[in-house]
Amino acid sequence: GESVGLHLPTLSVQEGDNSIINCAYSNSASDYFIWYKQESGKGPQFIIDIRSNMDKRQGQRVTVLLNKTVKHLSLQIAATQPGDSAVYFCAENPMDSNYQLIWGAGTKLIIKP
Amino acid sequence: DGGITQSPKYLFRKEGQNVTLSCEQNLNHDAMYWYRQDPGQGLRLIYYSQIVNDFQKGDIAEGYSVSREKKESFPLTVTSAQKNPTAFYLCASSILAGVTDTQYFGPGTRLTVL
Repeated sequence: GESVGLHLPTLSVQEGDNSIINCAYSNSASDYFIWYKQESGKGPQFIIDIRSNMDKRQGQRVTVLLNKTVKHLSLQIAATQPGDSAVYFCAENPMDSNYQLIWGAGTKLIIKP
Repeated sequence: DGGITQSPKYLFRKEGQNVTLSCEQNLNHDAMYWYRQDPGQGLRLIYYSQIVNDFQKGDIAEGYSVSREKKESFPLTVTSAQKNPTAFYLCASSILAGVTDTQYFGPGTRLTVL
């Protein structure tokens, strides 16, 4: 159900440090996972994805790690910059729901100067 | 925002009124989606369309309706039957309808019921 005013988990990171954002997913049958970045007042923007047959995938300054044993997903951002400030969402696709994504609640990343 | 436009950016509605949110894309994508986002929460799927003249309900379709008469347009009507319509509404599109095809989002419409 809805939780109006739910406080977002927040991660504060010093500019230049690495950020690690974690996500626990719910469905052991999920076979595809995505990370999105949402800046204030804007729509989500695709960052990186990973399939369940992989443990790790790297992009530009970002790495996604998947641990299927404990149903855990993480997004690592190297050398965090002010422009990385946003809410980060993980989303999973259960194998029996080809067109639907299940979205996490999001983590707010704050960059300290 | 990847060639997807939503209008208006802010919308106010009185209780009991229907309101239509616009979504247009010039990406030549086959699939389009409508999501609802509430404060501090992730996105929930309202409706999606794989092709012109076809659409399916998502998790929270009650109180909403859509049409897909043109490939580039997927308007969402929030009806008076929707009990709690105040939210941020996001439209997205993807090349094909599979979820592994990257979804590109519009800037969103913030609807407030007065």
